Amino acid sequence: GDSVTQMEGPVTLSEEAFLTINCTYTATGYPSLFWYVQYPGEGLQLLLKATKADDKGSNKGFEATYRKETTSFHLEKGSVQVSDSAVYFCAPRSGNTPLVFGKGTRLSVIA
Amino acid sequence: DSGVTQTPKHLITATGQRVTLRCSPRSGDLSVYWYQQSLDQGLQFLIQYYNGEERAKGNILERFSAQQFPDLHSELNLSSLELGDSALYFCASSVDPGQGSDTQYFGPGTRLTVL
Repeated sequence: GDSVTQMEGPVTLSEEAFLTINCTYTATGYPSLFWYVQYPGEGLQLLLKATKADDKGSNKGFEATYRKETTSFHLEKGSVQVSDSAVYFCAPRSGNTPLVFGKGTRLSVIA
Repeated sequence: DSGVTQTPKHLITATGQRVTLRCSPRSGDLSVYWYQQSLDQGLQFLIQYYNGEERAKGNILERFSAQQFPDLHSELNLSSLELGDSALYFCASSVDPGQGSDTQYFGPGTRLTVL
């Protein structure tokens, strides 16, 4: 089945710093790739997704590019804000199989 | 607000007891998923229903069961509760799970504490 490896957290950044959270996956098929975000005390929200190679998903200043050759879907943001403090989850999904979540990366942004 | 509702928000109970968690999917979504989130196990898929039928099963214990009703709401039943069952339980819903790009929308979760 599908699996995913995310960079270990926690990640602590100053406001306006550049963010990268690494995510690599293994899949038997040709998965769609998702990033979800969980703010403190809340459920998961879809942040962005990409469904085919070289697609770039983007939302709220975050971006991730589907790299089939390196089986990666790294999350980036050029200038983080305190309000971006949350836990970020990468998840591949092949066909009609359930989402497979990584362990999550906790991001803390300090002013 | 994702449109997925879960009740109750918090549940505190004792070991050996049985509880029922409820989920109402977004309007129009036919598929419901249940996940368990704990500190040691992370976010784990439990079970999925599609239009009333079980579609996929993950790491769901035999003490746990679920069903999806004709009005598409779902219930997750947890019995013979143990301390280790304390966790956040999330429900998610989606339109068409047959499509890999199908997006799952998550509810706010039910926090279960077993004492």
